[in-house]
Amino acid sequence: RKEVEQDPGPFNVPEGATVAFNCTYSNSASQSFFWYRQDCRKEPKLLMSVYSSGNEDGRFTAQLNRASQYISLLIRDSKLSDSATYLCVVWDSGYALNFGKGTSLLVTP
Amino acid sequence: NAGVTQTPKFQVLKTGQSMTLQCAQDMNHNSMYWYRQDPGMGLRLIYYSASEGTTDKGEVPNGYNVSRLNKREFSLRLESAAPSQTSVYFCASSPQGVYYGYTFGSGTRLTVV
Repeated sequence: RKEVEQDPGPFNVPEGATVAFNCTYSNSASQSFFWYRQDCRKEPKLLMSVYSSGNEDGRFTAQLNRASQYISLLIRDSKLSDSATYLCVVWDSGYALNFGKGTSLLVTP
Repeated sequence: NAGVTQTPKFQVLKTGQSMTLQCAQDMNHNSMYWYRQDPGMGLRLIYYSASEGTTDKGEVPNGYNVSRLNKREFSLRLESAAPSQTSVYFCASSPQGVYYGYTFGSGTRLTVV
C-alpha cells in the first residue's frame, strides 16, 4: 500500500495566526490530491482539492509539489472554528483513496 | 438533504453477536466504500464496491462481509463480533472512480464487549 505521511501534531496556535501543514506521498504516479477536515466525533468532509497550479479558497491555500512529492495546506488568520484534524488524501489510480492519519490543529483564544 | 445515510449511529454488541450496518446514498454515485477508524490508525478500507454488482476486499476485510444491494445501498455485516471490531465505521460514496473525492456518512460507533 502506498503511504501518505503527515505530522500528527497537535499544532497549537493562537487566533489570527498563520499555520501550515505538509504531507508527503510515496507514489510519484499519484493523480489527485485533497485535504479533508474532520471535527471531533464527526465524519471527514472535503475541504479542498489540490491542483498542480495551487489553489486558494478564502483563508485556505493548498499547494502541490510533484517533484518533491508533498502537499501543503496554509491557513491564514486562524479562527477558533478551524480547530479540527486535517487529513491529507491522495489518489494514485487505484480503487480507493489513500488517507494520511491526520494533523490535529487547536486554535486558542 | 442529499448525501450518505448510515444506520445505526451507535451500537453495543456482545462478543459473538452479529449485526448489519446500513448505508444508503442518494447522489447516484457508482462507487461505495466501508472504512473503519481507530485512534492512531487512521482510516482503513474494509470493503469497497466500484459499481453495482461488484464488491472487493480492502486492507482489513477479515471478520466482515458486504452486500451491494442496489446502486443506492451498501451494507456491512459482522457475523460474529469481536472486541477488536470496536471502532467507528464510515461509509462513503463517490462518482465513477475517486477522482473527485468521497462523500462520507456520519458514522456508526460500535462497541463490542
